[in-house]
Amino acid sequence: LAKTTQPISMDSYEGQEVNITCSHNNIATNDYITWYQQFPSQGPRFIIQGYKTKVTNEVASLFIPADRKSSTLSLPRVSLSDTAVYYCLVGALSRASGSARQLTFGSGTQLTVLP
Amino acid sequence: NAGVTQTPKFRILKIGQSMTLQCTQDMNHNYMYWYRQDPGMGLKLIYYSVGAGITDKGEVPNGYNVSRSTTEDFPLRLELAAPSQTSVYFCASSMRDRVANEQFFGPGTRLTVL
Repeated sequence: LAKTTQPISMDSYEGQEVNITCSHNNIATNDYITWYQQFPSQGPRFIIQGYKTKVTNEVASLFIPADRKSSTLSLPRVSLSDTAVYYCLVGALSRASGSARQLTFGSGTQLTVLP
Repeated sequence: NAGVTQTPKFRILKIGQSMTLQCTQDMNHNYMYWYRQDPGMGLKLIYYSVGAGITDKGEVPNGYNVSRSTTEDFPLRLELAAPSQTSVYFCASSMRDRVANEQFFGPGTRLTVL
């Protein structure tokens, strides 16, 4: 299983850019890197996914270096409503076998946005 | 679309009792998953299914069983509840030939075993 390591918590102020890094040293060739957001008493919600280099969508950017042993989720201009736990998920679904045993969630990073 | 729905929202069991956690999705997704989340921890995969009639074990399958008779439903069965199964259980689904791992989660079932 690909093991992931994230900071336990981070604080930021409204309007700042926040970068959360996930370490995944033993990532496999077929593994994708996915980030989820989770609010209390809710299921996780997909934010962004990438395989290599940089991916950007309407809410975040994901930076993945060439060796793919880490990834950084970047949230631009955070607001109070971005206070949540952010999870890095490394793994892949094999189309051939359907094997999902490699799906591994990290312990998550509690982001607190302060006014 | 309702997305992924789970019932019940809360449940208290006594040690040794059994129960079924229900999960239904209306997005016609092939892949479905069951996770558990212990307090302050990440999610751990219990079982998953790649389609009706096909299921496989995840990281922590002991003490659980699943079945997948239809595309929509993926119930999780606890046969002999133990205190170690106190957790929040999330069901999720994803399309097969889309972006890998873009999973849609249900609201969860909070289970306490006393």
